[in-house]
Amino acid sequence: GAVVSQHPSWVICKSGTSVKIECRSLDFQATTMFWYRQFPKQSLMLMATSNEGSKATYEQGVEKDKFLINHASLTLSTLTVTSAHPEDSSFYICSVPGLAGGSLYNEQFFGPGTRLTVL
Amino acid sequence: AQSVTQPDIHITVSEGASLELRCNYSYGATPYLFWYVQSPGQGLQLLLKYFSGDTLVQGIKGFEAEFKRSQSSFNLRKPSVHWSDAAEYFCAVGTVFGKGTRLHILP
Repeated sequence: GAVVSQHPSWVICKSGTSVKIECRSLDFQATTMFWYRQFPKQSLMLMATSNEGSKATYEQGVEKDKFLINHASLTLSTLTVTSAHPEDSSFYICSVPGLAGGSLYNEQFFGPGTRLTVL
Repeated sequence: AQSVTQPDIHITVSEGASLELRCNYSYGATPYLFWYVQSPGQGLQLLLKYFSGDTLVQGIKGFEAEFKRSQSSFNLRKPSVHWSDAAEYFCAVGTVFGKGTRLHILP
């Protein structure tokens, strides 16, 4: 399966600043990546689907201007949390879907996650 | 809309005992069902998956799950747990995840 990395693993920032999180597929060309948000002791919530070379597809209720996604290459997607506020503090996880069967809803290979704390 | 329910937030079992984690789903068509495990500091790892065919699927680490369409369930089982199985377990339909079940192991 794909090996997925995220950087940074954790970040602390001041309210009002922007934070960029990188998701890299190390051994797999990913035309699609998923970005999730996980609150403490809660489930993963899909935020958006990152598409290489085109705009991301956001889930209902996710602010596009708040969470900017760029998928500039087949191995890198970035999530930028703009003008971060304490309520944006969370665990952000990216994943790369497998290609078996060609469906986007195949098994996913997850990054280790990024813990964001906004002061 | 798709939904996944894991009714047990926490489960505690003794090492060596059997385990069953429950998962119910709501999905209009044939579901793509997954069980993932999340350990602290590590990314989610796929335990097993069901797309079609045999309703009893085998996964890694000795886990298995049974798909029951009539009950809309996909319960995860293991005949004998090890202390290293302590983790958070998530059932998923595609990109929709349940809230997770935290498994505690008693020595």
